[in-house]
Amino acid sequence: DTGVSQNPRHKITKRGQNVTFRCDPISEHNRLYWYRQTLGQGPEFLTYFQNEAQLEKSRLLSDRFSAERPKGSFSTLEIQRTEQGDSAMYLCASSLRTGVTSGNTIYFGEGSWLTVV
Amino acid sequence: AQKVTQAQTEISVVEKEDVTLDCVYETRDTTYYLFWYKQPPSGELVFLIRRNSFDEQNEISGRYSWNFQKSTSSFNFTITASQVVDSAVYFCALSETDTGFQKLVFGTGTRLLVSP
Repeated sequence: DTGVSQNPRHKITKRGQNVTFRCDPISEHNRLYWYRQTLGQGPEFLTYFQNEAQLEKSRLLSDRFSAERPKGSFSTLEIQRTEQGDSAMYLCASSLRTGVTSGNTIYFGEGSWLTVV
Repeated sequence: AQKVTQAQTEISVVEKEDVTLDCVYETRDTTYYLFWYKQPPSGELVFLIRRNSFDEQNEISGRYSWNFQKSTSSFNFTITASQVVDSAVYFCALSETDTGFQKLVFGTGTRLLVSP
């Protein structure tokens, strides 16, 4: 299966600890996205990369959050000094941007569940 | 600002019934894309369809069909002869531009329960 891969799938951490999630996009996809989803809600955009460049960050992404995509392939999302409000599912997605006017479909991974206790 | 409303929080049907999931959107752009995703209990968002604002043709894919009406800003999804495997949360999403960055704005989802 060559879909979007995320790990770990589940993480329980104590408040104040740091956590890191990894995302491997579909190969050859040049765009990578991070979304956050809380119970009963739809996913909310956090940030996005075009190759290795982080082009936009949501206001939801506080200073404790940092995302990287060092070689334009996989990406990591780190949350420092976790808070209970960070408990959510973190979804990674990727797409292939082929042209200015062409459409592109965003494909999502299975998500990484974070529980902060 | 863009917004997607899925007023149906949860729908329960019996297998083989037809079911329609409603989606109403708001946007000031003339160029936009609409999407439907399925989220089974495993958590993965499974892409179902993408539609651009200039294509109002209805689409059918097997038991799935979509009705896009710009006049009412709706993009409804119908499952014909539902099956237990259709049980999931379904999300409608909107993206206002396809030139450069594309961000999806999701509705709150509709949980579909199909019982045998």
